[in-house]
Amino acid sequence: KAGVTQTPRYLIKTRGQQVTLSCSPISGHRSVSWYQQTPGQGLQFLFEYFSETQRNKGNFPGRFSGRQFSNSRSEMNVSTLELGDSALYLCASSLASDTYNTEAFFGQGTRLTVV
Amino acid sequence: GQNIDQPTEMTATEGAIVQINCTYQTSGFNGLFWYQQHAGEAPTFLSYNVLDGLEEKGRFSSFLSRSKGYSYLLLKELQMKDSASYLCAVINDYKLSFGAGTTVTVRA
Repeated sequence: KAGVTQTPRYLIKTRGQQVTLSCSPISGHRSVSWYQQTPGQGLQFLFEYFSETQRNKGNFPGRFSGRQFSNSRSEMNVSTLELGDSALYLCASSLASDTYNTEAFFGQGTRLTVV
Repeated sequence: GQNIDQPTEMTATEGAIVQINCTYQTSGFNGLFWYQQHAGEAPTFLSYNVLDGLEEKGRFSSFLSRSKGYSYLLLKELQMKDSASYLCAVINDYKLSFGAGTTVTVRA
């Protein structure tokens, strides 16, 4: 079956701009999570969606937002980009509904560079 | 808050055994995951523990002690392809919090 698809794979933006990243989960998966990965901070949780509802969010400023559509595809948006937003943004999908022990499958990520 | 600690680096010889420890202090606990991440690739699932004890899956085993806030991942019969970063992660209320990762280097 097709894996988690993230687009675009690479992106270069200028400070102050905004960016939208897309994630298509594995067919049948209704939970989508987003993470930021940097060499200094490691993998940091951004938010998790299930059936178009955000169930939890990490400690990121309001410039980071997301949403999930009825087909479970998800987007995350970062407004007013800062140099420190340069990172690999990973999306993961799982079957999780009200249980926690389901494996999360990660996409290849979007490498965002802010200049 | 969430505090998840694991060693930064470990080196071992092909065919040997390596144990990666993870200690955690989190505001809640719904389970602990181990993920493997090769350089430039996405993390891949290795194991999930929610009850105390050892879970064995082929060459990989994972142990959990909830009372001690402690887990370890045991890699047996190391192969060169096991050179990667190993991430310990605690899930609480649908939020997955990761440790910084342990880079394991396998030498011939």
